[in-house]
Amino acid sequence: EAQVTQNPRYLITVTGKKLTVTCSQNMNHEYMSWYRQDPGLGLRQIYYSMNVEVTDKGDVPEGYKVSRKEKRNFPLILESPSPNQTSLYFCASSWQRGYEQYFGPGTRLTVT
Amino acid sequence: KQEVTQIPAALSVPEGENLVLNCSFTDSAIYNLQWFRQDPGKGLTSLLLIQSSQREQTSGRLNASLDKSSGRSTLYIAASQPGDSATYLCAVEGGTSYGKLTFGQGTILTVHP
Repeated sequence: EAQVTQNPRYLITVTGKKLTVTCSQNMNHEYMSWYRQDPGLGLRQIYYSMNVEVTDKGDVPEGYKVSRKEKRNFPLILESPSPNQTSLYFCASSWQRGYEQYFGPGTRLTVT
Repeated sequence: KQEVTQIPAALSVPEGENLVLNCSFTDSAIYNLQWFRQDPGKGLTSLLLIQSSQREQTSGRLNASLDKSSGRSTLYIAASQPGDSATYLCAVEGGTSYGKLTFGQGTILTVHP
């Protein structure tokens, strides 16, 4: 089944404790990105990657890192999480620009 | 900066009604527009993708139109069913931003039996 998977689905952590949210797609997509969804603010792009080893900032990149070492994986790294990063995170992928984007099931992160 | 607005914010209708959800965007230089459905606690499911050169797309009971020059799109749902209850999101891919989707706030649809 073609899909985007994220792990973990739920995470509660404390301020400053480094964490990684994994994202993997099995559709051989070139393009991958991360969004966060917050009440009243909607979905906003954090980072994106056009291809392996190519990444760039979205609208709200502060406090996040990404890497794209393999085509299928695009992990989101929070080096020192803070409470304002409490949010619902989505990973997305598409064949390339202009094509339908597929979203993962989401990761609900709480930072206390 | 692209801004996307969806009207209405919420809609409650009886089963069987035909309904229209509206989406407007401020910058007409878009690459495409995509409609998604989001169920509570779940991810986004793509419904329809309209390229900037297209006027409409259809899938089953769903029809989406695009008027790029006026910055508007509509999602038409025919013969609504309780299973259509969800949040519907409109998103545009900008002409100059590679792959980035700018989302509206969504329309929360409730279809009651």
